[in-house]
Amino acid sequence: DAGVIQSPRHEVTEMGQEVTLRCKPISGHNSLFWYRQTMMRGLELLIYFNNNVPIDDSGMPEDRFSAKMPNASFSTLKIQPSEPRDSAVYFCATQDGDTGELFFGEGSRLTVL
Amino acid sequence: RKEVEQDPGPFNVPEGATVAFNCTYSNSASQSFFWYRQDCRKEPKLLMSVYSSGNEDGRFTAQLNRASQYISLLIRDSKLSDSATYLCVVNKYNDMRFGAGTRLTVKP
Repeated sequence: DAGVIQSPRHEVTEMGQEVTLRCKPISGHNSLFWYRQTMMRGLELLIYFNNNVPIDDSGMPEDRFSAKMPNASFSTLKIQPSEPRDSAVYFCATQDGDTGELFFGEGSRLTVL
Repeated sequence: RKEVEQDPGPFNVPEGATVAFNCTYSNSASQSFFWYRQDCRKEPKLLMSVYSSGNEDGRFTAQLNRASQYISLLIRDSKLSDSATYLCVVNKYNDMRFGAGTRLTVKP
């Protein structure tokens, strides 16, 4: 298995633009998590899905952020409009249901100018 | 109060030293616990799970104290390659919460 695949790896955009981050989970993993990591705040849980259903989105900063999981093979995190304070590394992770281990993608490094 | 708190360090130790990290959590209903390792500009990866009875994996020992709500990680005979950030993780019903991480640098 190729592991969790995220795209894009890097994105630089201007304030006000829409940003879409993508994640392909490991096949067979039923839980998917989106995290954001910054130096100041560490690794923050934004939202997680179980069997494609959003379970807890209390970590989503505000209405500018939205996440979807239309099927078991794909999830998106969208920021519209983006702001400089959204600059961070965004990680997608999926969970092995037997062991509880999280497997992370390589992350999407977002810079909003 | 944060759900998961760690001493941020940094810890700077010589090769061969023993170093210990602690982590406290606020939710007494937490079910499972882990230590992850994150190298600079990389994604976190599982180092080890933490079991109630304590567990060891080579030079690494993890302990859980449910009464006091803390977990610990002990690294013996530290190597240069142990330099990384160590993150404790607390899980409740698939809600996986990370501590801010403790940065370790092992020096020759």
